[in-house]
Formats: sequence, C-alpha cells, structure tokens
Amino acid sequence: DQQVKQNSPSLSVQEGRISILNCDYTNSMFDYFLWYKKYPAEGPTFLISISSIKDKNEDGRFTVFLNKSAKHLSLHIVPSQPGDSAVYFCAASEQTSYDKVIFGPGTSLSVIP
Amino acid sequence: GAVVSQHPSRVICKSGTSVKIECRSLDFQATTMFWYRQFPKQSLMLMATSNEGSKATYEQGVEKDKFLINHASLTLSTLTVTSAHPEDSSFYICSARDDRGYGYTFGSGTRLTVV
Repeated sequence: DQQVKQNSPSLSVQEGRISILNCDYTNSMFDYFLWYKKYPAEGPTFLISISSIKDKNEDGRFTVFLNKSAKHLSLHIVPSQPGDSAVYFCAASEQTSYDKVIFGPGTSLSVIP
Repeated sequence: GAVVSQHPSRVICKSGTSVKIECRSLDFQATTMFWYRQFPKQSLMLMATSNEGSKATYEQGVEKDKFLINHASLTLSTLTVTSAHPEDSSFYICSARDDRGYGYTFGSGTRLTVV
C-alpha cells in the first residue's frame, strides 16, 4: 500500500502562472516532508522541506503547505518558469527514527512558454 | 554543499554477470546511506538502508543475496547486482544522510542495462 500518494501523474501550466502539486500520505507517524525535483537520468535534487510542527515553509518561488489533519501537503511554484519542467517527488520520513525516506510516485510538471 | 558521487553513470552488462555501483560522499560523513531503484515512469523505490559497519536492512521483496550492499567506511557504500538479468535493468540511485544533520543528498544515479 502506497504511504505517499501523488494522484496527478502530470500537470501542465502556462509560464508565469502558479503550479500546485499535491501530495497525500497515510502514515500518521510521518513528521518530516520533502519535495524533490528530478530530471531524466539524473538523481533527485532537494527543493524544500517542512516539519510537522509548521504549516508553511517558503523559499523563493517555492512554498510548501502542510495540512496535518488532512494528511495533505502541497508545493506551490510561483511564477512558474520553463526550467521548472521536471518530475516532482513528494517524500516523507519519521524524523524520530530518521532512517528512510519514502517517495510518492511523482508528478511530471510541464511549464509551457 | 554536500556532494555524493555515484559511479558508473551508465553500465551495460551481459546476463549472468555482476555489476558494482559505488556511492561516495565527498565532503561529509554518512553513517547511513540508502539505495533506491526507479523503473520507467515510476517512483523511486527504496531497496535497502546501508549502515556503516553493519548489515544492510532490506525492504520487503528485495533479494539480499542478489543485491549485495557493503558500507565499509563512513564515505563509501557499494551495491553489487549479482547474476544480473534483463529484468534488473533499471535506474539505481543512492542517497547519503549527512551525519551533521544536514539532510539527504542524492547521487546522480546509474543506468543499468542487462543484455
């Protein structure tokens, strides 16, 4: 059973607009969440993270929102740029054990110029 | 920033042979490293957690005798795919957890093709 879900396999957004990528999780023990960006044939690169004690974390154009009661988080990219086109993985871990990161299936974002 | 070097980036091997993939943390120590596998258009699947000086912990469904993991030092973990078969063809990625608490850094991945 998938513990981290990204129900949208793909998303297309016009350049300059906002991209919203969603992620749901089932394991209530997860307390640390990460977003990674991945280009084909490369390893994932870290984008932004959030601890469960927060509901929002912002870094430049990237903002992650966490709704712990709904077990839902989202990544907002604004404004979207063509270089943002990549696969975005939501990931989660239990910070207390900190022993592994579980990834969602990914959402392929295309930003159209 | 933290850098993880993974080699080789691409390898083609014959069925029945073994392939070793190296994952090295260049500027930090990593007691714990992780090995992931990605099939086309699918997520990164955790295969095993590698701990320096002890046996690796394998996820359910991953054959430990087929995917041998060695973590002999605080900066190096290796994954050996033994007796490779075409179905082992995949993209393998390692990740190292910085002992200083700075999070996870990924290698650039290895594309394995077994012919």
